[in-house]
Formats: sequence, C-alpha cells, structure tokens
Amino acid sequence: AQTVTQSQPEMSVQEAETVTLSCTYDTSENNYYLFWYKQPPSRQMILVIRQEAYKQQNATENRFSVNFQKAAKSFSLKISDSQLGDTAMYFCAFMKHGPSYNNNDMRFGAGTRLTVKP
Amino acid sequence: GAVVSQHPSWVICKSGTSVKIECRSLDFQATTMFWYRQFPKQSLMLMATSNEGSKATYEQGVEKDKFLINHASLTLSTLTVTSAHPEDSSFYICSASGMGLAGAGNEQFFGPGTRLTVL
Repeated sequence: AQTVTQSQPEMSVQEAETVTLSCTYDTSENNYYLFWYKQPPSRQMILVIRQEAYKQQNATENRFSVNFQKAAKSFSLKISDSQLGDTAMYFCAFMKHGPSYNNNDMRFGAGTRLTVKP
Repeated sequence: GAVVSQHPSWVICKSGTSVKIECRSLDFQATTMFWYRQFPKQSLMLMATSNEGSKATYEQGVEKDKFLINHASLTLSTLTVTSAHPEDSSFYICSASGMGLAGAGNEQFFGPGTRLTVL
C-alpha cells in the first residue's frame, strides 16, 4: 500500500518570502504521479502542480515548483514570492499509473496548514 | 473544462434519516468517480471508487450498506448515507476522472464538497 507523509502540520511565511513544504511517500511502484493540492477555506480542492515519476525534470507552475527526488521518495513544494492568497491547507497526493481505472485512486498526506503573514 | 458539481452543498438532517448527495461531471464523461470523507482539520480519506454501470469498490472499514453509491450514468454518481447518525457528520467530497481529458492520465477533478450535519 502507498503511504504519503507530510511532517509539517503547520507553517507560516512572510508575504513575498519563500517557503518549502515537505512530502515523502512510500511505494513499490515505478510509474506513478505526484500532486500538490491546495484547499482554501472554501474547501474546494485546487490542483497546484503535478509530477510524473518518469520525468526527471522538476515540474514548475509560475511561483510553484517541486523538488522531486525519486530515489529518496521525496516530493517537496516550494512557493516563491508568497502571497496572502496562498494561505490554505496543502495536501501532497500519490496516484499509481496504470491502464485500469481502478488503479488511479489517490492517496493523500495529512496536510500542511500554511499561513502567509502580511 | 473538467468541472464537477455537488448538490447539496450543505445539508442538515435528523438522526435516523437518509441523505442523498449528488456528484455531476458537467462537461465531460466521468468513467470513474471517487467519494472522499474529510473530518475537520484532517485529510481526505477515500471511501469508495465507482465505475459507471458497475458496483462500487469500497475501502476497508467503510460500510457498504450504510454508504450506498450509485453510478448509473457517465455524468452522475450519488452517495446515500442511510440511517444517518451524528458520527456521520462530515464533509463529503467527490471527484471524477474520464476519457480524453488533458492532464496526468485519469487525473481526478474535485467537486466543491457537501457538508453533512446530523442532529
């Protein structure tokens, strides 16, 4: 079974500064996807960034980037130039890759509550 | 594109009654839908996976007879909480994945969630 661990229950950062959220996972799979989701107070899950395990290049989406270390099974999220609107719960998630739809259930970490301070 | 809706967004019911929550994919065909449960300040826990036209697959520890899932069409799945009790109060989130969508092969798109309060 796959497990996802987020060891930082809460973090805070000053506006415009950079913050890194950590995530580790455990799997015996070779092909899989990793995701970071943001859940603001509205509780709508918003995809922040995703990484395919077969890609060595780290994914980047504007101010968001990841440090994907496959051998170490680590997948951290870096938020640059933090904004007040980044305040939210952030969940790391793992999804197996496979042809069957039954293979694509997603497993989430416990989450990190990020507060951006003005 | 890839919008998922849920209805209702908030429901209060009396203990012992049943509540139905709908999950709809608005602009794509959802071959698979997922139901999650989220307690306050906790993560999303997968309850069940449903493929259109077949029985749902429930996660260990989830009561099939209590949480009835129906995925009768490619755009609609329903979760019925039967004989609800206060401990069933939670935030229920559905997600959907389908054919021909851009993204990480079978990526899930999330609904806005339903807050259930059982008195």
